[in-house]
Amino acid sequence: AQSVTQLGSHVSVSEGALVLLRCNYSSSVPPYLFWYVQYPNQGLQLLLKYTTGATLVKGINGFEAEFKKSETSFHLTKPSAHMSDAAEYFCAVTFSTGTASKLTFGTGTRLQVTL
Amino acid sequence: GAGVSQSPSNKVTEKGKDVELRCDPISGHTALYWYRQSLGQGLEFLIYFQGNSAPDKSGLPSDRFSAERTGGSVSTLTIQRTQQEDSAVYLCASSQTGVRTDTQYFGPGTRLTVL
Repeated sequence: AQSVTQLGSHVSVSEGALVLLRCNYSSSVPPYLFWYVQYPNQGLQLLLKYTTGATLVKGINGFEAEFKKSETSFHLTKPSAHMSDAAEYFCAVTFSTGTASKLTFGTGTRLQVTL
Repeated sequence: GAGVSQSPSNKVTEKGKDVELRCDPISGHTALYWYRQSLGQGLEFLIYFQGNSAPDKSGLPSDRFSAERTGGSVSTLTIQRTQQEDSAVYLCASSQTGVRTDTQYFGPGTRLTVL
């Protein structure tokens, strides 16, 4: 079955520390991959996406993610966390079958940034 | 428009009542999606429109849920005879053409509470 998994529902880091949020997918055909961020009481905002080309993708707010086909992963990283990064982060995919463009989301990871 | 807008932002209703949720997509976007975000189910796809047609309604949880889109623009999600399990945040998104690689732009959501 096609699915997307985010390991860790809550992640806490100190300000200035590395942020690593994990995302793995299950699909016989690699999907297209997205990371969205949701701030409290707001909709989702795209951070970055991988469709084709370079597997290391840079997004907004200093975030980046690397598509690793061999590991079926698309982990999100940021070298130095800022207090403003506290939010919920969702990995999402569009699979190649069915309604190809609908997003299938992971369960989300809430990022807490402490002083 | 500048972004996806949704109304109302909050809706409190009594069990058994009907509700209508509205979405105004970004001008010119042909694809429109409805998702639901709830504590128990996470973010889940409900329905996809391409123009005024809905080629994928597979995520609608029951026949109490329906949606329409008129003029290739505004969409309304209707829930009849609301139940407490319908309480959730309903998110609307639009994208330019509806292909897999498109970025979906999300509205702020409508928080529905069924008492």
